[in-house]
Amino acid sequence: QQQVKQSPQSLIVQKGGISIINCAYENTAFDYFPWYQQFPGKGPALLIAIRPDVSEKKEGRFTISFNKSAKQFSLHIMDSQPGDSATYFCAASKRNNNAGNMLTFGGGTRLMVKP
Amino acid sequence: DSGVTQTPKHLITATGQRVTLRCSPRSGDLSVYWYQQSLDQGLQFLIQYYNGEERAKGNILERFSAQQFPDLHSELNLSSLELGDSALYFCASSLYSGRGYEQYFGPGTRLTVT
Repeated sequence: QQQVKQSPQSLIVQKGGISIINCAYENTAFDYFPWYQQFPGKGPALLIAIRPDVSEKKEGRFTISFNKSAKQFSLHIMDSQPGDSATYFCAASKRNNNAGNMLTFGGGTRLMVKP
Repeated sequence: DSGVTQTPKHLITATGQRVTLRCSPRSGDLSVYWYQQSLDQGLQFLIQYYNGEERAKGNILERFSAQQFPDLHSELNLSSLELGDSALYFCASSLYSGRGYEQYFGPGTRLTVT
């Protein structure tokens, strides 16, 4: 059962354009939603994260939009640059009785920004 | 560089064998996580330790086990290896446990089972 669905699988954007990646989740117990960026040969790195008590969070060119009722959240990359070309993963986690922090990842989106 | 180190970088072994992957967390981090990344399953959480104790368990096979030592480094043991175990194995660490603490990922160990 895929608890976090991510789309599209791949995305090509022109330099300066807006990249939009969408995720949907099923488990209403999820209450922390981070986005990770992964370059080839590297481990994922945290980009930005949001909790469901806010509908939007912005950090530089990266914005998360969150729709709690629709159980959807998305990543917007403004003024996309060739250096943004990477694989992006959305993730979700929920309160754990043992205070653990298990991240459930989406399938990933391979972004290519053309110069 | 996240500050998380993993060894070895690459590992090639045969089916039925046993291997140990090692992870050193960032200085000061108490929690260690293991993830498996494969083409068909994506990034999957395996197990989390916090200050030596297991805190969360994901879809980790019974053939796999892990532990966190007093110096906070962690090892993931994979036994009776199958072709399907070929994947990238990532270790991550965070300061404490619980949601909201950023997980810093290491560079990964690429395991190839032949």
